Amino acid sequence: QKEVEQNSGPLSVPEGAIASLNCTYSDRGSQSFFWYRQYSGKSPELIMFIYSNGDKEDGRFTAQLNKASQYVSLLIRDSQPSDSATYLCAAGGSQGNLIFGKGTKLSVKP
Amino acid sequence: NAGVMQNPRHLVRRRGQEARLRCSPMKGHSHVYWYRQLPEEGLKFMVYLQKENIIDESGMPKERFSAEFPKEGPSILRIQQVVRGDSAAYFCASSPQGPQYEQYFGPGTRLTVT
Repeated sequence: QKEVEQNSGPLSVPEGAIASLNCTYSDRGSQSFFWYRQYSGKSPELIMFIYSNGDKEDGRFTAQLNKASQYVSLLIRDSQPSDSATYLCAAGGSQGNLIFGKGTKLSVKP
Repeated sequence: NAGVMQNPRHLVRRRGQEARLRCSPMKGHSHVYWYRQLPEEGLKFMVYLQKENIIDESGMPKERFSAEFPKEGPSILRIQQVVRGDSAAYFCASSPQGPQYEQYFGPGTRLTVT
């Protein structure tokens, strides 16, 4: 059973701090990894994707991938209350479809 | 540049009725995916389609559920003889290339079975 695991949280950080979200995956054949943000009652919104080992930065967001450890992370710098949402990690399975984790709920306190 | 469109946004059906959910992908996208999300649960893959073809339906329940993506018009997810357990949010996503690439989600259809 191919799985993506995330800590469900809630993860609470003060405004302005760095939020660190983590994810592990079981399918060694996965080649692509995604972070989605989902506000309550809304649809998932793609915020980052990463295909290669290392770091990828986009504004306040940094995705990190370590294929040897089967580990993906998302760092959010200068966290804002508007970042409060559930963050979904997804891995592109070796058979094609995306496999999603259950999400980590992030709460940024003003 | 319109995003992925889904309709209806909310759908109420009585047990035993049929539900039809529609999805129009982003312009230029020919790959469509359907997902189901139960309250407090993660997104579960259901089916992957390209125009006129079902590529992967490994996540679809064996009975009552079907999907299509005709040459003209939107993709349709059909649920026959709905039961209360079908109540969920159904999301459609599309991508310009295959499923290993980034997928963009529509607003979803929230199905309630009474």
